[in-house]
Amino acid sequence: EDKVVQSPLSLVVHEGDTVTLNCSYEVTNFRSLLWYKQEKKAPTFLFMLTSSGIEKKSGRLSSILDKKELFSILNITATQTGDSAVYLCAVEPNTNAGKSTFGDGTTLTVKP
Amino acid sequence: GAGVSQSPRYKVAKRGQDVALRCDPISGHVSLFWYQQALGQGPEFLTYFQNEAQLDKSGLPSDRFFAERPEGSVSTLKIQRTQQEDSAVYLCASSLALTGAMGGYTFGSGTRLTVV
Repeated sequence: EDKVVQSPLSLVVHEGDTVTLNCSYEVTNFRSLLWYKQEKKAPTFLFMLTSSGIEKKSGRLSSILDKKELFSILNITATQTGDSAVYLCAVEPNTNAGKSTFGDGTTLTVKP
Repeated sequence: GAGVSQSPRYKVAKRGQDVALRCDPISGHVSLFWYQQALGQGPEFLTYFQNEAQLDKSGLPSDRFFAERPEGSVSTLKIQRTQQEDSAVYLCASSLALTGAMGGYTFGSGTRLTVV
């Protein structure tokens, strides 16, 4: 059975800090790994990663995938209070595409 | 529409009552997914459709759960004889393709179901 484990479970930082969120996974026939930000209810898409070692970047957020060690990290630099949210990691298999397996998320709280 | 629309936003049901949750995906999105998210946990897959065809319903927790998308657009998730353990947020997502390749899935804001 596919499995995604995120760490830490929760994190409290101050504005301006840099954070690293971790996601490790086990999946049969890996297709992609996706990161989402969930503030209220709707998760919003951040990144999709398919290849090892290629960093995806969007503003202060970046992410990278290691397919050999089966993990991904999401970095947020110069955090702001608006970054406070639950960050979800999901893996998508090659077979049964669409049946993504999510981790339980990391709750990030950024204090002013 | 501009986004995925779900209704109602909140639903309180008495145990044993039937409920119907609606999802209106982004126009033209072929794939539609239902997920269940319990408090403090990540979303768990329930079922997905490609157009009107239900390609996978392996995540539906029991035969009390039923989903349909008869015309390949709007979808309804029905839960019969609701139980307390059905309390959760039900998320719907849609995408242009079957995979996340087109920029991930666009999620709706969900329906929070509370069974009392």
